[in-house]
Amino acid sequence: DAGVTQSPTHLIKTRGQQVTLRCSPKSGHDTVSWYQQALGQGPQFIFQYYEEEERQRGNFPDRFSGHQFPNYSSELNVNALLLGDSALYLCASNAGTGNSSPLHFGNGTRLTVT
Amino acid sequence: GQNIDQPTEMTATEGAIVQINCTYQTSGFNGLFWYQQHAGEAPTFLSYNVLDGLEEKGRFSSFLSRSKGYSYLLLKELQMKDSASYLCAVADAGNNRKLIWGLGTSLAVNP
Repeated sequence: DAGVTQSPTHLIKTRGQQVTLRCSPKSGHDTVSWYQQALGQGPQFIFQYYEEEERQRGNFPDRFSGHQFPNYSSELNVNALLLGDSALYLCASNAGTGNSSPLHFGNGTRLTVT
Repeated sequence: GQNIDQPTEMTATEGAIVQINCTYQTSGFNGLFWYQQHAGEAPTFLSYNVLDGLEEKGRFSSFLSRSKGYSYLLLKELQMKDSASYLCAVADAGNNRKLIWGLGTSLAVNP
């Protein structure tokens, strides 16, 4: 049973460029959340997708956008990259029902903006 | 505002017991999670508390007091592999899928 998978594992981009990160949720999960984690910090919630719609959004600018596909996989897009966007981007999935459904995290994509 | 506080760092000895505290002030509450994160790896789920009291799971236990906005994670019989960051996260009211995270407590277990 594959867990949450993310690609790529590492990425180096230049300021101003655009990036797309991909995530496949754990089998049986229908909800995908994206988090940004800076070094030494806790994860910061970016947004959450359920039934192919953005359901909730954290305090991130519109440069951060996403998509969820019918197979529940998801993409995170970041436009006009800034140096401060360098971080570990984590995708997490869980089942859409039940208050105690814990998040299962992928191993993340390490994005470096130069 | 939303705020979750945890100690930044803790140190303990192999075989000992350590308690990691978490206090929270959030606009709503729908449960509290503890996650473990080893350096360079993804967070992994440890425990979930939504009612007051102690939940025990092997060497790890988690306690919640909703009236005090307080939780702790108790690790017994510490092992070297327990050296990691421990993250406290509170589920927003009405939707547990949005979590508010603390900065994490970095635990070092020494021989």
